[in-house]
Amino acid sequence: QQPVQSPQAVILREGEDAVINCSSSKALYSVHWYRQKHGEAPVFLMILLKGGEQKGHDKISASFNEKKQQSSLYLTASQLSYSGTYFCGAEDSGGGADGLTFGKGTHLIIQP
Amino acid sequence: DTAVSQTPKYLVTQMGNDKSIKCEQNLGHDTMYWYKQDSKKFLKIMFSYNNKELIINETVPNRFSPKSPDKAHLNLHINSLELGDSAVYFCASSQEGGNGYTFGSGTRLTVV
Repeated sequence: QQPVQSPQAVILREGEDAVINCSSSKALYSVHWYRQKHGEAPVFLMILLKGGEQKGHDKISASFNEKKQQSSLYLTASQLSYSGTYFCGAEDSGGGADGLTFGKGTHLIIQP
Repeated sequence: DTAVSQTPKYLVTQMGNDKSIKCEQNLGHDTMYWYKQDSKKFLKIMFSYNNKELIINETVPNRFSPKSPDKAHLNLHINSLELGDSAVYFCASSQEGGNGYTFGSGTRLTVV
């Protein structure tokens, strides 16, 4: 079953912060986050494996609450380069070969 | 060096034709996938192969047939193309315990 992402779209000014949420009705083994720019392939941002795990690089970080079956992606002090569509991908079992089920995406626009 | 390469990048064809899309990865990953992205950007898994063995075959019409001659290649053959097959098809690969999926640049298929 497809994870639910919110919001569907968000428009920010450069330097503002954003939070994108991803929730699943199924127990999750891991959550992935990807960014896709127009006309390009999705690019891997990070994977969260354990309940309560938080990760981050640069000004993009994420958390995973295994009990609530939710993950959030945090973008702080957003830059123009952050624009794109963000997808969360849910994996409900380990092993990796079962594939990810992606949310419908969150379209992020950063304006100067 | 391109990690996951797909050919062709664009494919325009008439209804009823048969076409193939090729995918190769040089990352040494064990698992490869085909995803379909529709006009609303929804990424849906079609097939998953692990070491040349089919793991997942989602509810995809049997006009779609994947073939994996070795673990570095996963091709997609489509028979009797229909208008509704128009989409962007992404190949991806991953490794258990690794860092997410690496996507190919996509093949934009247009059926006229």
